[in-house]
Amino acid sequence: DIQMTQSPSSLSASVGDRVTITCRASQGIRNDLAWFQQKPGKAPKSLIYAASTLPYGVPSRFSGSGSGTDFTLTISSLQPEDFATYYCQQYNSYPLTFGGGTKVEIK
Amino acid sequence: EVQLVESGGGLVQPGGSLRLSCAASGFTLSDYYMDWVRQAPGKGLEWVGRSRNKANSYTTEYAASVKGRFTISRDDSKNSLYLQMNSLKTEDTAVYYCARVARTSDFDYWGQGTLVTVST
Repeated sequence: DIQMTQSPSSLSASVGDRVTITCRASQGIRNDLAWFQQKPGKAPKSLIYAASTLPYGVPSRFSGSGSGTDFTLTISSLQPEDFATYYCQQYNSYPLTFGGGTKVEIK
Repeated sequence: EVQLVESGGGLVQPGGSLRLSCAASGFTLSDYYMDWVRQAPGKGLEWVGRSRNKANSYTTEYAASVKGRFTISRDDSKNSLYLQMNSLKTEDTAVYYCARVARTSDFDYWGQGTLVTVST
């Protein structure tokens, strides 16, 4: 199985801060990586697919980069609605696997 | 508008069975792969399994933790996806989500989830 390791597991930040979350795959996954945002009691929401592509409607302050084993999610200027938990997920091979999550909290 | 609505969750004893449903609307179910993903209380996301589309003969894949106990099926005429869960264990307690797999292989739509509690 491909292990997905996210860091940090949590962070505190202020509105307007630039935030970076990393995700490392235990083996190469090309760019078969997605990022999701989840708020308490809600379903995950797609933020990025194919490592760097934003679905329609996702704000441009979100960006993704990376290929192979190392990936990054960046929020360029954190907004109040961005406080949530973020997950990476590989869909390169079965079983599909998720990172452990990064909780972004208000500083 | 694409919508996925899960139902069928509830309290079940260890060793028991439960069938979850996912009602799909706004798209042609037979054209898409569909997955189940779960989330134990306070924990992260875990992929459960996949049902491929009609063009791929509705074949399935499962996580090792549920293989042999869970079965994914669908009834395209009813626009519904199912998860039959047998021999349930306490560690199967989770919110279960159905998700549509986009043409780009990622998940583009999720349901709101249904809670399954396995307990005495």
